[in-house]
Amino acid sequence: EADIYQTPRYLVIGTGKKITLECSQTMGHDKMYWYQQDPGMELHLIHYSYGVNSTEKGDLSSESTVSRIRTEHFPLTLESARPSHTSQYLCASSQGSYQPQHFGDGTRLSIL
Amino acid sequence: SQKIEQNSEALNIQEGKTATLTCNYTNYSPAYLQWYRQDPGRGPVFLLLIRENEKEKRKERLKVTFDTTLKQSLFHITASQPADSATYLCALDMSMDSSYKLIFGSGTRLLVRP
Repeated sequence: EADIYQTPRYLVIGTGKKITLECSQTMGHDKMYWYQQDPGMELHLIHYSYGVNSTEKGDLSSESTVSRIRTEHFPLTLESARPSHTSQYLCASSQGSYQPQHFGDGTRLSIL
Repeated sequence: SQKIEQNSEALNIQEGKTATLTCNYTNYSPAYLQWYRQDPGRGPVFLLLIRENEKEKRKERLKVTFDTTLKQSLFHITASQPADSATYLCALDMSMDSSYKLIFGSGTRLLVRP
């Protein structure tokens, strides 16, 4: 039933590599979000977008960047991965303000 | 800044009993509060939303209350089943800065024994 897709689901990669995590939704939602979550911990917002060509940094400082060229697509990029980037990254979208967020199943990223 | 407190200890109950999970927040009362379910290795799934002017909201076996005086929300699952075992997250809006963002608690893990 998921209408928001994240790829890859798992990624193990060496330090210094450039990584792009993909997120796509088919619901036509304007608002999209990236969260970072470590095991047993809360989700931390790292980026959000209210529409095409709109991106903002979230509450948790992150070395990643995002782009929003199309409504349905919100990729996250790490230019040079480091072990401290090891975490789970969750993408979400919502229809509008004060609406539930729909999440993908995340990308579990391990940097060696 | 707004902080959310959810019981970090797992709640372990017998099948058929009512599970009650607590979400406390520290500062201003949000315009609305949401509850999500998260299974291991999956993203959170939305369950219920309650607004500040609503005292209670129900959906099937789920019930949420919102007390802005106590700065607390309670999440109840009646007639619990082993399939209800998961982590339940409370989320508050950040409407103070009109940015429509949510902040999440770390969740409470529920284990329902058959």
